[in-house]
Amino acid sequence: QLQLQESGPGLVKPSETLSLTCTVSGGSISSSSYYWGWIRQPPGKGLEWIGSIYYSGSTYYNPSLKSRVTISVDTSKNQFSLKLSSVTAADTAVYYCARHEAGMEMDVWGKGTTVTVSS
Amino acid sequence: QSVLTQPPSVSAAPGQKVTISCSGSSSNIGNNYVSWYQQLPGTAPKLLIYENNKRPSGIPDRFSGSKSGTSATLGITGLQTGDEADYYCGTWDSSLSGVFGGGTKLTVL
Repeated sequence: QLQLQESGPGLVKPSETLSLTCTVSGGSISSSSYYWGWIRQPPGKGLEWIGSIYYSGSTYYNPSLKSRVTISVDTSKNQFSLKLSSVTAADTAVYYCARHEAGMEMDVWGKGTTVTVSS
Repeated sequence: QSVLTQPPSVSAAPGQKVTISCSGSSSNIGNNYVSWYQQLPGTAPKLLIYENNKRPSGIPDRFSGSKSGTSATLGITGLQTGDEADYYCGTWDSSLSGVFGGGTKLTVL
């Protein structure tokens, strides 16, 4: 059974770079036709798609975050990662990783990790 | 403000039926599949409906989805107190970005 697990610092200082990793277990991140995505949810608010990476390495980003986001994949470790630069308090959220196909149906999710931006 | 528009809240009594709407445009819902997610308090979202009207294994047939033009609808019949949750629609946009609705809080009275 495929499982995803987010990891990374829970506290990031303003203007610094947020870095998170999603570890995939129970399956290969190189499986064809799958995308691996990051989604966040600010406290008390709705879901926001951050971006996704295709198994081939192609990346797709939310236009509102594109200038600050980098998503990469490490097939040797069966992981994919998120970097969000120049963070502010507005980036405080629960960050989820998820698997999806071309229809954007996210069928496997990580449990989420809380990231707080504060000095 | 979300790209897809959902009502902030809906409510109904146990055993009744409720529908949740999701309105978009030709650049998203109109030309792409819609998915629906259920998020129970303090947990990650769970896929309920994909490709407009298909249910993943394990999702009861009390949950249904439909799409017409640039709008989609989630239906839940035989409401149970355990259905109280936030529900989100999601799809791709022509700008090759994912988009979600703002979420709808379901209260089972």
